[in-house]
Amino acid sequence: DQQVKQNSPSLSVQEGRISILNCDYTNSMFDYFLWYKKYPAEGPTFLISISSIKDKNEDGRFTVFLNKSAKHLSLHIVPSQPGDSAVYFCAASASSGGSNYKLTFGKGTLLTVNP
Amino acid sequence: NAGVTQTPKFQVLKTGQSMTLQCAQDMNHNSMYWYRQDPGMGLRLIYYSASEGTTDKGEVPNGYNVSRLNKREFSLRLESAAPSQTSVYFCASSEETGGYNEQFFGPGTRLTVL
Repeated sequence: DQQVKQNSPSLSVQEGRISILNCDYTNSMFDYFLWYKKYPAEGPTFLISISSIKDKNEDGRFTVFLNKSAKHLSLHIVPSQPGDSAVYFCAASASSGGSNYKLTFGKGTLLTVNP
Repeated sequence: NAGVTQTPKFQVLKTGQSMTLQCAQDMNHNSMYWYRQDPGMGLRLIYYSASEGTTDKGEVPNGYNVSRLNKREFSLRLESAAPSQTSVYFCASSEETGGYNEQFFGPGTRLTVL
């Protein structure tokens, strides 16, 4: 039972254009969402997060949108740069229900930004 | 400030051998975690330690044991390695448990079990 789904294994965009990475979740207890970025041979690094009380959070070129009714979030990168090429993981957590220690990760989306 | 360090970076084992993966953090974090990542899969939690002196099972604990040696160090032990444990292992730490606490990851240990 995959509670966090990233249905696109890969995405390719041109430098300077917008990258949109999507994530869907099924567990209505999730109330905090994070995006991590991972380069080859390195550990994931935190990128941006959003609480369920918000529908948008922006940090520089990165914006995360949350649609709670659709159980969907997306990460927008504008403008995309070649250095953004990496695997992006969506993760979610629930602050109640006995599992607040846990991050549930999606399978990741490989973003390639072409010069 | 090295963050989260893991040793070794690479390891090849034969089926049935044992080994311990080491993890240390210098951020004075209370909580530490061990994950595994398999091809085409997200990260899955093996064990975590909410604070020094406590450890608990995650999603996929079978075949593993952990020790929270002190606040800085959290080790993962494979007593009798199996090919199904071939994976990349990541250690992480955070100030506290709770998904709103950013987790900081180490560089990973790539383990192959033949």
